[in-house]
Amino acid sequence: AQSVTQLGSHVSVSEGALVLLRCNYSSSVPPYLFWYVQYPNQGLQLLLKYTTGATLVKGINGFEAEFKKSETSFHLTKPSAHMSDAAEYFCAVSVNTGTASKLTFGTGTRLQVTL
Amino acid sequence: SAVISQKPSRDICQRGTSLTIQCQVDSQVTMMFWYRQQPGQSLTLIATANQGSEATYESGFVIDKFPISRPNLTFSTLTVSNMSPEDSSIYLCSYHAYTDTQYFGPGTRLTVL
Repeated sequence: AQSVTQLGSHVSVSEGALVLLRCNYSSSVPPYLFWYVQYPNQGLQLLLKYTTGATLVKGINGFEAEFKKSETSFHLTKPSAHMSDAAEYFCAVSVNTGTASKLTFGTGTRLQVTL
Repeated sequence: SAVISQKPSRDICQRGTSLTIQCQVDSQVTMMFWYRQQPGQSLTLIATANQGSEATYESGFVIDKFPISRPNLTFSTLTVSNMSPEDSSIYLCSYHAYTDTQYFGPGTRLTVL
């Protein structure tokens, strides 16, 4: 079975500062990894994903994440935070069963961006 | 990606009643899923909605409480039955794209009094 751990339920950064949201996973088979963002009163929006190939993946809104197999990590970064980045961020892992991929979510990290 | 919508977007219901949530995708998809997000919590998979057969429920969720229909490849419903305040949550549907990615609807925010 797979699992996801997100370190830090709340992260606060200043506008313009580096954003780093941590995600570690556990999976017995090669995982697919995802970051989703949830803005207040909205559903989940896909930020980026890693399936195979290049380990550094770029997503929307300037975010990127690097898959590090040796560290079982998939941390999300953005060089410069913007006020509009304030939201809840969820890391998720899935394992392809051949028919569908079931997602397992982390507990989420709430990002606060201050002036 | 296909557009996915849910109705209603929010509702306030009395305990003991039932609510049916609709999920519509604007193109045919093979797999659809229903999740629950309790206040301040992460998402928990309720069930996989299978077209033409019964839904597959996750541990802790039963058909009598959360009956699901999937009449075709673009539509699914989730009913929350005999509601109690503990059912107050956001309910989200998603679909599985051929790219091994799930895309989510905007959610239905349910409050049970």
